[in-house]
Amino acid sequence: QSALTQPASVSGSPGQSITISCTGTSSDVGGYNYVSWYQQHPGKAPKLMIYDVSNRPSGVSNRFSGSKSGNTASLTISGLQAEDEADYYCSSYTSSSSWVFGGGTKLTVL
Amino acid sequence: QVQLQESGPGLVKPSGTLSLTCAVSGGSISSSNWWSWVRQPPGKGLEWIGEIYHSGSTNYNPSLKSRVTISVDKSKNQFSLKLSSVTAADTAVYYCARGDLIRFPNAFDIWGQGTMVTVSS
Repeated sequence: QSALTQPASVSGSPGQSITISCTGTSSDVGGYNYVSWYQQHPGKAPKLMIYDVSNRPSGVSNRFSGSKSGNTASLTISGLQAEDEADYYCSSYTSSSSWVFGGGTKLTVL
Repeated sequence: QVQLQESGPGLVKPSGTLSLTCAVSGGSISSSNWWSWVRQPPGKGLEWIGEIYHSGSTNYNPSLKSRVTISVDKSKNQFSLKLSSVTAADTAVYYCARGDLIRFPNAFDIWGQGTMVTVSS
């Protein structure tokens, strides 16, 4: 199975908003509302930020939001803060009864 | 609070079998969760390997299926990964993770700290 497509990097200044895209196919992102997003700081395990496209687990800042249109899901971070600088990965359920991740996006807070 | 801890050899010879265990603490492996393995080669992205339910039902990444076996040991509250015929391309940090069927059925909400496995002679 092919990894979902994410931009390699995005950047923004503190206080600004950024959006990370995650493009798949009708067999994964487009076929199910089972997209999740993970934040990973260097040397650390991933942390769940968004599940089922747009839901936030308890404890995750409401500055993080998710959406989906067709085969592309998006993660938006508003009011950028220095601690948001990390790698972000999307994930989706697939028609093969498996899970697939995106290639990851490095967020730089300028 | 549930915690996951990976363990196993940090060095495996090419063509050998990689074997890792994930110990579950603070909760039962027989609860309503899927238990997964995910890996991350150095400097690269995440790759899902497979998952198991306490009943023994499994799902695997189609690209790895021929080499992967995931099993569960309810008596020890742990699950395991075996990856056969390894090459340098299997060098990665290996994570175990939980999929909570009740609260987050379609995501991985708890992760282990990860363990680095290097394939080299």
